[in-house]
Formats: sequence, C-alpha cells, structure tokens
Amino acid sequence: QVQLVESGGGVVQPGRSLRLSCAGSGFTFSTFGMHWVRQAPGKGLEWLALISNDGIIKYFADSVKGRFTMSRDNSKNTLYLQMSNLKIEDTGIYYCASGQKLIRPFDYWGQGTLVTVSS
Amino acid sequence: EIVLTQSPGTLSLSPRGRATLSCRASQSVSDNYLAWYQQKPGQPPRLLIHGASSRATGIPDRFSGSGSGTDFTLTISRLEPEDFAVYFCQQYGSSPFTFGPGTTVDIQ
Repeated sequence: QVQLVESGGGVVQPGRSLRLSCAGSGFTFSTFGMHWVRQAPGKGLEWLALISNDGIIKYFADSVKGRFTMSRDNSKNTLYLQMSNLKIEDTGIYYCASGQKLIRPFDYWGQGTLVTVSS
Repeated sequence: EIVLTQSPGTLSLSPRGRATLSCRASQSVSDNYLAWYQQKPGQPPRLLIHGASSRATGIPDRFSGSGSGTDFTLTISRLEPEDFAVYFCQQYGSSPFTFGPGTTVDIQ
C-alpha cells in the first residue's frame, strides 16, 4: 500500500535552514505529483507547495515563496523540502501528501514531521 | 487566491444526530474541485469527498457532499462516535490549493 514517511524535523533557530524528506513506498513514486502541507500547533491546514512527477512543474504558496524550495529524487523515491530563513511562524507539523496527479485531492498523507522554530 | 470560509466554527451534536457543514469560496471553484477531509487528534487528514460530491474509497455512505460554484456542503446523516473530529474543505482546482479553517464537530 502507499506509504509516505517524513523526516528531518526538529528545533531550529530563526533565520536558519532545514531540509525535510519524504520517502515513498508501495507505489511508483516517479508517477505521482507531490505536495507539502503544514499545520501550525492547534491550527488549520496550509498548503505550501507542489511538484510534478518529473520535477519540472513547481508552485509555492506566497508565505514560503523565495524561502522554500522543493525537489525530488525519483531514483531514491524521495521528496525534499529545503527551508531557509526560517521564521517562528514556520513552526508546525509538515506533511507530504499526494493525489497521484497534481490536480487531484490528497488521497495519501504521511504522518508528518514537527518543525519548531525558536530562539 | 481562492479563500475558503467554513461555518460554523464548532458544531455540538449528539450521536445519531445530523451534521451539516458549510464551505464557501471567494470565487467559483474550477470544475467543482472541492474536497472534504476529516482530521482526528494526532493523525493526518483523511480524504472523505472529492469533486464536491464523490465519496473517496472506503468512506461510509452517511457522508455526502453537495454544492457547486462557490457554495458547498458536507452532510453526515447519522453521527457515529468516530465522526467527532475536525473537518476541512479544500479547493484543488487552482494553485494555491487552499484549505478552509475547519469545523469542529464535538459531542454535545
């Protein structure tokens, strides 16, 4: 079955960088468009970014544009979110998710990884 | 950017009650690409409804979605104990794929 496992979260100071990973298994990773979604503590869901299955198409939410980049290594079945110039408001659980194609709802979600930005 | 507004913020109901949740978009949602998710504490969201009215795989038929354009509704016909959770709508027709703020359905 489709499994997504995020890693790389932790505590980081404002202004620093962090890279999250999302490992996929149980499906042909290279055929799935992927998304990152975050959830601040006790808050709602915020869509952050998407990447097409071949890595060519990328879109970002305004809140992270210019600070976050997204990439994927289909040979390793892994998605990445490179976060730089982190702000306190970037604190939250980061989920990778997919609906297979880009214009699809998100059938599959990982369990999330917690990022805490704090001095 | 399409802004989604959900109402009410909290819905307090009894088991076996009927829940009606609203999601309103600031502009028409392309091709009615509107989804509903359920989230329980400590878990990722679970897809319930897509395309405004199609149930996702394995979702019980007590969950139904309706609406088009800018106004959408999720109905839970008869609440089971496991249905008390937070519900989010999302439009996935155009980037950014925005979510609504959520409706909490709790036990009265």
